[in-house]
Amino acid sequence: DVKVTQSSRYLVKRTGEKVFLECVQDMDHENMFWYRQDPGLGLRLIYFSYDVKMKEKGDIPEGYSVSREKKERFSLILESASTNQTSMYLCASSLNPGVTDTQYFGPGTRLTVL
Amino acid sequence: QKEVEQDPGPLSVPEGAIVSLNCTYSNSAFQYFMWYRQYSRKGPELLMYTYSSGNKEDGRFTAQVDKSSKYISLFIRDSQPSDSATYLCAMSGHFGNEKLTFGTGTRLTIIP
Repeated sequence: DVKVTQSSRYLVKRTGEKVFLECVQDMDHENMFWYRQDPGLGLRLIYFSYDVKMKEKGDIPEGYSVSREKKERFSLILESASTNQTSMYLCASSLNPGVTDTQYFGPGTRLTVL
Repeated sequence: QKEVEQDPGPLSVPEGAIVSLNCTYSNSAFQYFMWYRQYSRKGPELLMYTYSSGNKEDGRFTAQVDKSSKYISLFIRDSQPSDSATYLCAMSGHFGNEKLTFGTGTRLTIIP
């Protein structure tokens, strides 16, 4: 079974803090994605990566950056957290290039910024 | 206007009923259509995947795509309490390396 794990289920941070969200997949997938999920807005793509050290902006990259130093690990970084970044963050991975391949999701990290 | 519209519900139906979940979209370039199921406090998991127009059946689930109307549906027959979840539609364009566009999700509860 594909397993996508995220470092924390719940996280509370203060405005202005630097926040790291970690995602690890164990199936040697090429592609990894970071989404945020908000009521009434659904899932929105923040960043994605098709290869190590490679990244592409999604729909809402402002205020975020990412890092992919190893194939299995994709980190989302909030350089200076703000209250409007309070959300559920979901990581996903897929095997083949091209997002029509099945994406496997992690359990999510619920981040609250105070 | 959002590219993908989905009624957020909530939708409550009695056990055994047929459930119909729907999405409309505006981008005629969409060719790949997916339904994800998300249980509470879990990430979404892929339920059904169809390409272009037509129907696809998998057990109690049927996915239907009508590209002329830009309308997709998911039908659940003989609904069970274990089907209670949020259902998200997602779609992408013809060419590879394009992102998925998700609907907002419909929250479904099956009442025993």
